[in-house]
Amino acid sequence: QSVLTQPPSVSGAPGQRVTISCTGNSSNSGAGYDVHWYQQFPGTAPKLLIYGNHNRPSGVPDRFSGSKSGTSASLAISGLQAEDEGDYYCQSYDSSLSGSYVFGTGTRVTVL
Amino acid sequence: EVQLVESGGGVVRPGGSLRLSCAASGFPFDDYGLSWVRQAPGKGLEWVSDINWNGVSTNYADSVKGRFTVSRDSAKTSLYLQMNSVRAEDTALYHCARLRRWEPDAFDIWGQGTMVTVSS
Repeated sequence: QSVLTQPPSVSGAPGQRVTISCTGNSSNSGAGYDVHWYQQFPGTAPKLLIYGNHNRPSGVPDRFSGSKSGTSASLAISGLQAEDEGDYYCQSYDSSLSGSYVFGTGTRVTVL
Repeated sequence: EVQLVESGGGVVRPGGSLRLSCAASGFPFDDYGLSWVRQAPGKGLEWVSDINWNGVSTNYADSVKGRFTVSRDSAKTSLYLQMNSVRAEDTALYHCARLRRWEPDAFDIWGQGTMVTVSS
């Protein structure tokens, strides 16, 4: 079950900046657990994009940035490119569920 | 190259069993926790189970608890998921994923997945 809420879709023109929100509660992101972000293209495995709220793994362009405040986190994509079109998921840990990692509902990014 | 390759998926009848495997390579297997994450067709990601680096600690989503069992074999550098009493809602692409080493709260390497279809 998804306990992290994301907008179903966001869109932007090439070069623009888009943001994706991820809203949790006092059992997950609001409890101080870090939020992480994944990028997934159709037919491929998810890829870790941001970890520990704002850190980028090696090889991830600095166009991608993350932030977190309270129960909410955000992923920003600046200088949007056609190759960024895909699905994005946030993820955290939830202390109210049995040993549970939780994912967001997912957001489809469309480049206009 | 760091790699996770899943196998063992297929079509299984409701109430049946299936065993998934995930072969790991390119990294020190015993240093990492591992997990299974599934994705139903056209749906989002759902964590299923995880196992810590030495296999002592395991966790399961409520939706599979009592039916699925996760295990690992250090000699074969492989992760497994024994699926029993499967249901239609277990139909999904099952990914094997590696947990970050020092702070195992995110999944830093993923396999392409193996498809499980539960159907009569």
